[in-house]
Amino acid sequence: AQKITQTQPGMFVQEKEAVTLDCTYDTSDPSYGLFWYKQPSSGEMIFLIYQGSYDQQNATEGRYSLNFQKARKSANLVISASQLGDSAMYFCAMRLNYGGSQGNLIFGKGTKLSVKP
Amino acid sequence: ETGVTQTPRHLVMGMTNKKSLKCEQHLGHNAMYWYKQSAKKPLELMFVYSLEERVENNSVPSRFSPECPNSSHLFLHLHTLQPEDSALYLCASSLTNNEQFFGPGTRLTVL
Repeated sequence: AQKITQTQPGMFVQEKEAVTLDCTYDTSDPSYGLFWYKQPSSGEMIFLIYQGSYDQQNATEGRYSLNFQKARKSANLVISASQLGDSAMYFCAMRLNYGGSQGNLIFGKGTKLSVKP
Repeated sequence: ETGVTQTPRHLVMGMTNKKSLKCEQHLGHNAMYWYKQSAKKPLELMFVYSLEERVENNSVPSRFSPECPNSSHLFLHLHTLQPEDSALYLCASSLTNNEQFFGPGTRLTVL
C-alpha cells in the first residue's frame, strides 16, 4: 500500500540556520511524484516543491531543496536560512501516476516547524 | 481575483442543519478536490472531479454530497452531520496530474 511517513511531529530551528524535515514513502509503482506543502496557521496549503521519480537531479526552489534518495525512498525537505515566517506545518505528499488513483495525493501527518528568533 | 477561494471560512452548524461549502478556482484547472483535515490525522481525500465528472469517492458517508456544476466551481453539501465531522475542509484544483493548489479552507464545527 502507498504510504507517506513523517517521523518528526515537531522541530525547532534557530533563525538563519538550515533545517531538514524528513519524509519517507512506500510504493511499488515506478512512476510517482513527491510534493512538499506548507500550511501556516491560517489553514491554506501552499505548494513548495516537486520531485518526479525519474528526475535525475534534486529539485530546488529558492530556499527550498528536496534531498531525493530513491533507493532509500526518502524525500527530505531542506530549508536554508530559516526565517520566522517559515514557522508552520509542513506536509510531504506523494502522487501516483498510474492506476485507479492516478493524480490523487497521499499525505503524511506533517511536521510542525517552529523558528526561534 | 485569482487562486482558489472557499466560502465560508468558518461555519458552525447543528446536527440537523443543511449547509453548503463553496469552492471557486480561477486558474483554468480541469480537476477539483475536496479534502478533510482532522486534528492529528493526515489529510483525507474525499472527492475528486475531473472535467466535471466525479472520478473518486473515498467511502465518504452520504451525509456529504459534492456537486461540480462547471470546471470553476465545486460545492460540498452537508446534511445531518455528526460532531466527529468537525474539521478543516480544504478544496484544491489542478491541471490533471500536476501540482494541486489549495484554498484557505472552511473550518467546520458541528454541535
